[in-house]
Amino acid sequence: GIQVEQSPPDLILQEGANSTLRCNFSDSVNNLQWFHQNPWGQLINLFYIPSGTKQNGRLSATTVATERYSLLYISSSQTTDSGVYFCAACSNDYKLSFGAGTTVTVRA
Amino acid sequence: EAQVTQNPRYLITVTGKKLTVTCSQNMNHEYMSWYRQDPGLGLRQIYYSMNVEVTDKGDVPEGYKVSRKEKRNFPLILESPSPNQTSLYFCASSSHYEQYFGPGTRLTVT
Repeated sequence: GIQVEQSPPDLILQEGANSTLRCNFSDSVNNLQWFHQNPWGQLINLFYIPSGTKQNGRLSATTVATERYSLLYISSSQTTDSGVYFCAACSNDYKLSFGAGTTVTVRA
Repeated sequence: EAQVTQNPRYLITVTGKKLTVTCSQNMNHEYMSWYRQDPGLGLRQIYYSMNVEVTDKGDVPEGYKVSRKEKRNFPLILESPSPNQTSLYFCASSSHYEQYFGPGTRLTVT
């Protein structure tokens, strides 16, 4: 399966700061998703983005498929943005391979 | 509302007592799967199903069974649970690659 690497593993932000999370993947993909796991353990879909750029409020994502990476941008961070952010990808099947996640802590 | 539901959300049980975690989706998706999440190991696929009556093993199928008799339901069965199956379990469904996850089931086997 696809190998997915995320960086950084941990990120501490002051409320209002901007940040970028990175996801590298080892092969061409037909699915690249970003999730936010909240403190209750729920996986919240953020973006389905095998290529291109999308924006949803303060969050946006860009996938450069030819260079095998994706970026998640958080702008004007809030304490509710805290949690673990996962990137997951699959190629010719439906089995998602997850990265190890980036743990984001936003301090008031 | 389009969603994937799982029940129960929390379960504490004892070794060897058979249990079933239900999963249901209302999006008419053909593909469904089960994952478990463990600290340091991330999310790993247990079983998946491409359609009714079609199931196959994922990366960590040992100790689990599944069935797909109806398109909307994909239960996960632990015939004889053991403490190493203590984990957070997620069901997911998909139609065209984008996957939607249920809220998770936190299982503890003592």
